[in-house]
Amino acid sequence: ETGVTQTPRHLVMGMTNKKSLKCEQHLGHNAMYWYKQSAKKPLELMFVYNFKEQTENNSVPSRFSPECPNSSHLFLHLHTLQPEDSALYLCASSQDSDYYGYTFGSGTRLTVV
Amino acid sequence: RKEVEQDPGPFNVPEGATVAFNCTYSNSASQSFFWYRQDCRKEPKLLMSVYSSGNEDGRFTAQLNRASQYISLLIRDSKLSDSATYLCAVKLSQAGTALIFGKGTTLSVSS
Repeated sequence: ETGVTQTPRHLVMGMTNKKSLKCEQHLGHNAMYWYKQSAKKPLELMFVYNFKEQTENNSVPSRFSPECPNSSHLFLHLHTLQPEDSALYLCASSQDSDYYGYTFGSGTRLTVV
Repeated sequence: RKEVEQDPGPFNVPEGATVAFNCTYSNSASQSFFWYRQDCRKEPKLLMSVYSSGNEDGRFTAQLNRASQYISLLIRDSKLSDSATYLCAVKLSQAGTALIFGKGTTLSVSS
């Protein structure tokens, strides 16, 4: 596989469920990111990992919990979500440089019911 | 003031037209600039980086104006396949910070 792979593509979960989103990058990048995209809003940065270390947590509620076991894998653990958390969750990766753009995965479309 | 602002459009143009989008950013410490393209219900894909001296890639030209804090994207000879949302993204010079995106500008090219 190449690029950035996200699973699942679609997820419907109840407010009391616990689920996890998975992201894997095959590009040899050092940094990985979680973004949230809601309708009519810009992409919102959630978390940044650089060399497996979390370097940014953009005031994200604790019901979202990231995990980065190595530079190639990133998870987003979800529990007791709210309907307003329904959105497209995008994972991205990049080289450890200011001058390279990000490569995004195809996203997980999450619906909280 | 929002960190990165774009006119949401939509811009409706005929095939062959030239269209330009602007994107303003509020933080003068911004260092790197990019244009992304996002098709409906798909992920954003990097279209081009924006260099200080301006750069061109085929029908696409990107410009940076640091004094006025904006970047622009010019599309010449528009194709139907150019219909998409164009996102600008800005990165601060501070190490470890991530890209900040605008809401995007929607372009619709018709025959």
